[in-house]
Amino acid sequence: GNSVTQMEGPVTLSEEAFLTINCTYTATGYPSLFWYVQYPGEGLQLLLKATKADDKGSNKGFEATYRKETTSFHLEKGSVQVSDSAVYFCALKVSQGAQKLVFGQGTRLTINP
Amino acid sequence: DVKVTQSSRYLVKRTGEKVFLECVQDMDHENMFWYRQDPGLGLRLIYFSYDVKMKEKGDIPEGYSVSREKKERFSLILESASTNQTSMYLCASSLRGTSYNEQFFGPGTRLTVL
Repeated sequence: GNSVTQMEGPVTLSEEAFLTINCTYTATGYPSLFWYVQYPGEGLQLLLKATKADDKGSNKGFEATYRKETTSFHLEKGSVQVSDSAVYFCALKVSQGAQKLVFGQGTRLTINP
Repeated sequence: DVKVTQSSRYLVKRTGEKVFLECVQDMDHENMFWYRQDPGLGLRLIYFSYDVKMKEKGDIPEGYSVSREKKERFSLILESASTNQTSMYLCASSLRGTSYNEQFFGPGTRLTVL
């Protein structure tokens, strides 16, 4: 079946550190891939997306590259800020016509000043 | 801005009660979704609707039902609440289309069943 696996959290970093949150997936066909972010007390927001292999999604200093050969979509940021503290979800959409998303378990990120 | 609102941020109910969670979106989206969010499990789809009066089961529909009488409103119903339904419930909406359309989420309702 279709599934998403994220690295275990929580992750705690100091401000200005480099961030990687790993995400791998299992899917039939060629899924689209997404990162959503949930700030404290809020709903999820789309952070970035990639719809085909080798695409790079980017937003707010975050980047992720769709790697078909390793079935991965790792989230990276070069220098994190306290305001990046949130829960991050990797997700996939299984086909072009479908609207359903399959989410990973989420990774809680805390950035200390 | 797209806005998805949920009727309550926090709700406490007793086992066996009938519970209604309401979701309203203001952007004329065709698709609406109900998820539950649990630590270590991420978001799991309960039901979704792609049009008025239309619904499809998600991955965990047992113990839940839904109602969509108007395009902007999607209700989740717990017919007889149980303690294992204590969770965060998130509603989302999106446009219909062949390419991906972003899902917009409400702030969530944290339901506790005693």
